[in-house]
Amino acid sequence: DIQMTQSPASLSASLGETVTIECLASEDIYSDLAWYQKKPGKSPQLLIYYTSSLNDGVPSRFSGSGSGTQYSLKISSLQSEDVSIYFCQQNYDSPYTFGAGTKLELK
Amino acid sequence: QVQLKESGPGLVQPSQTLSLTCTVSGLSLTTNAVSWIRQPPGKGLEWMGIIWSNGHTDYNSTIKSRLSISRDTSKSQVFLKMNRLQTEDTAIYFCARVTMAAIFDYWGQGVMVTVSS
Repeated sequence: DIQMTQSPASLSASLGETVTIECLASEDIYSDLAWYQKKPGKSPQLLIYYTSSLNDGVPSRFSGSGSGTQYSLKISSLQSEDVSIYFCQQNYDSPYTFGAGTKLELK
Repeated sequence: QVQLKESGPGLVQPSQTLSLTCTVSGLSLTTNAVSWIRQPPGKGLEWMGIIWSNGHTDYNSTIKSRLSISRDTSKSQVFLKMNRLQTEDTAIYFCARVTMAAIFDYWGQGVMVTVSS
């Protein structure tokens, strides 16, 4: 199984800051990487797929990059509504594994 | 619009079988795949399995021996059955529409299942 190591586990930032979340795959996943946002009591929302493609309706302050085994999610100009837990997921091979999540809070 | 909704018992006794239903609207199960994904309290997301549009299923090997996913296309429903439940199976269970690239683009609201006597 492909292991997804996500970092940091938690992150505190101020409004307007830029934050980056990393995801490391245990093998090459050929850009088959998605990012989800999950708020308490809500279902996960797809933010980005195929490493850098924004899902419909996702603000342009979210961006993704990476290749091979290393991927990242960047949130520019942090807004209060971005407080959430973020998960990466590899969709290269079954089982489709998720990272452990990054909890983003406001400083 | 695409909607998914999970339903099932909130409490299951240890060693018993969990049965959940995912009712979908705005899409056809003959052309769309659906997965089950769960999240234990305070933990991350775990992909459980998938039923593809052709009816083929694939399961996470960690729970494959206990899990079965099926569907009724005429009722737009996908079913999860998992036996020999343990307290570690306590989680929120989600169903999600899956694209051909195995991306989960629409999710249900989730149903909390507690395994306890």
